[in-house]
Amino acid sequence: EDQVTQSPEALRLQEGESSSLNCSYTVSGLRGLFWYRQDPGKGPEFLFTLYSAGEEKEKERLKATLTKKESFLHITAPKPEDSATYLCAVQGGRQFYFGTGTSLTVIP
Amino acid sequence: DGGITQSPKYLFRKEGQNVTLSCEQNLNHDAMYWYRQDPGQGLRLIYYSQIVNDFQKGDIAEGYSVSREKKESFPLTVTSAQKNPTAFYLCASSFSGASYEQYFGPGTRLTVT
Repeated sequence: EDQVTQSPEALRLQEGESSSLNCSYTVSGLRGLFWYRQDPGKGPEFLFTLYSAGEEKEKERLKATLTKKESFLHITAPKPEDSATYLCAVQGGRQFYFGTGTSLTVIP
Repeated sequence: DGGITQSPKYLFRKEGQNVTLSCEQNLNHDAMYWYRQDPGQGLRLIYYSQIVNDFQKGDIAEGYSVSREKKESFPLTVTSAQKNPTAFYLCASSFSGASYEQYFGPGTRLTVT
């Protein structure tokens, strides 16, 4: 069964404490893997697209990496404004599969 | 400013009433999508459209209907047949083709009592 699993469900970090969020997938025919940030009550905001294993993308304190079975979103020295839910989506063929997200809280 | 707009932000309806959610984009995207988001669940696809005057059912289309008369617009009607309509509804759009990221609107929170 095609599916996307994100872990952990929730993560609390001290400001400056780096960590990683995981997105594992069992979707055949990977066309792309997408990371989004979602603030409460708002629509997801696009962050990155990764297409093939070994690819990496960076934006400010965030870095996304991709292997054949999973992707990591690394957060370096997070700030309170990085607090949000981070969603992972995988496109297999024409279908998009979304994970349930990781809720990140960064404590000052 | 290019983007996707959804209106209204909040919507309240009584059971048994149909309601239409608006979605407009000026990104010149060919494809548009409607998702439903419930707490603890991933986004679930309701309907999508790759071109004007054509659309396909997603995973949870029952109780919903759409139209795509213009490239920029993709309204969603939640009918009285939808058994559990209270949810956060998200519209998205993308270019068509092999693989393009979807861009989302701000969402509409629908409450049916």
